[in-house]
Amino acid sequence: DVKVTQSSRYLVKRTGEKVFLECVQDMDHENMFWYRQDPGLGLRLIYFSYDVKMKEKGDIPEGYSVSREKKERFSLILESASTNQTSMYLCASTHGGAETQYFGPGTRLLVL
Amino acid sequence: QKEVEQDPGPLSVPEGAIVSLNCTYSNSAFQYFMWYRQYSRKGPELLMYTYSSGNKEDGRFTAQVDKSSKYISLFIRDSQPSDSATYLCAMSARDSGYSTLTFGKGTMLLVSP
Repeated sequence: DVKVTQSSRYLVKRTGEKVFLECVQDMDHENMFWYRQDPGLGLRLIYFSYDVKMKEKGDIPEGYSVSREKKERFSLILESASTNQTSMYLCASTHGGAETQYFGPGTRLLVL
Repeated sequence: QKEVEQDPGPLSVPEGAIVSLNCTYSNSAFQYFMWYRQYSRKGPELLMYTYSSGNKEDGRFTAQVDKSSKYISLFIRDSQPSDSATYLCAMSARDSGYSTLTFGKGTMLLVSP
């Protein structure tokens, strides 16, 4: 079974803090994705990576950065957290030639 | 017009009912279609995957794609309370070595015992 894990299920941070969200997959997938999910807005793609050290902007990259130093790990960074970044963050991964993405359990982030 | 439209629901049905969930889309380049199920406060899990037009059946679930109408459906037979979840449709058009998914906003399904 594909396993995608995220470092935290729940996280509470203060405005202005730097926040790291970690995602690890154990299936040697080339592609990894970060989404946020908000009521009424659905899933929105923040960044994705199709190879180590490669990254591509998604639909809403502003206020976020990413890091992919190893194939199995993809990190999402909030340089200076703001209250409008309170959301559910979901990581996903897939093989390079495949369409179906496998999701982690999500991190529910609250920025106060 | 949004690329993928999906009625948010909630859709409430009694146990044992046949459920029909639908999405419409505008991008004719989409050729890969997926349905994900998401339980409350969990990540989405892949339920069904189809390529191009046609039907695909897996147990109580049937996925249907009509590319001419730009319309996809998920049917659930003999619905169970454990089917209560949000169902997300997703689709992609591979135009390079990698592709991204476009999601509907999800339909919440409630199956009452």
